[in-house]
Amino acid sequence: GESVGLHLPTLSVQEGDNSIINCAYSNSASDYFIWYKQESGKGPQFIIDIRSNMDKRQGQRVTVLLNKTVKHLSLQIAATQPGDSAVYFCAENRAPNTGKLIFGQGTTLQVKP
Amino acid sequence: DVKVTQSSRYLVKRTGEKVFLECVQDMDHENMFWYRQDPGLGLRLIYFSYDVKMKEKGDIPEGYSVSREKKERFSLILESASTNQTSMYLCASSPSTSGATDTQYFGPGTRLTVL
Repeated sequence: GESVGLHLPTLSVQEGDNSIINCAYSNSASDYFIWYKQESGKGPQFIIDIRSNMDKRQGQRVTVLLNKTVKHLSLQIAATQPGDSAVYFCAENRAPNTGKLIFGQGTTLQVKP
Repeated sequence: DVKVTQSSRYLVKRTGEKVFLECVQDMDHENMFWYRQDPGLGLRLIYFSYDVKMKEKGDIPEGYSVSREKKERFSLILESASTNQTSMYLCASSPSTSGATDTQYFGPGTRLTVL
């Protein structure tokens, strides 16, 4: 069945290092992917998205990479800061133009000072 | 900025009570969603709506109903609350299924405890 999964439940990094959070997806029909950040006690917050016609997209300190061949998505955070500590979710659209998303389980990013 | 608000951050109810969770978005979005979030289970879709007075079941609709009388407001109703409905409830909205983006924007969540 369809699933979106993350490789590691918890990632611990040193402040200032780069972080890489990975996600695997199984739906070949998905053409849109999103990364969300959820801080404790808050709702998920949109970080960055990418369409399937792209391999890479950059934002402020974040980069998303999409490898359609192996159905793999990653989020790279440069110079990780304590404020980056949160749970990160990847999501994919269930099918084009349905409006519905499938969410991964989430990876907890812990930033050590 | 898109703003999605939920009526309560924390709610405590008793078993058997009827519970209303309200969600309002201010960006004229067509789509609205209700999820629940539980440890180890991620976000699960309860109901969604593509338009006013329109609703469709998600993955776990049992024990819930919804109402969308106005475009900006989407209500989740627990007809008779049970302890297994204790959870974090998240509302989200997105522009349109016919648009180029499916990005969903979330509210802050309501943590519901049913005793």
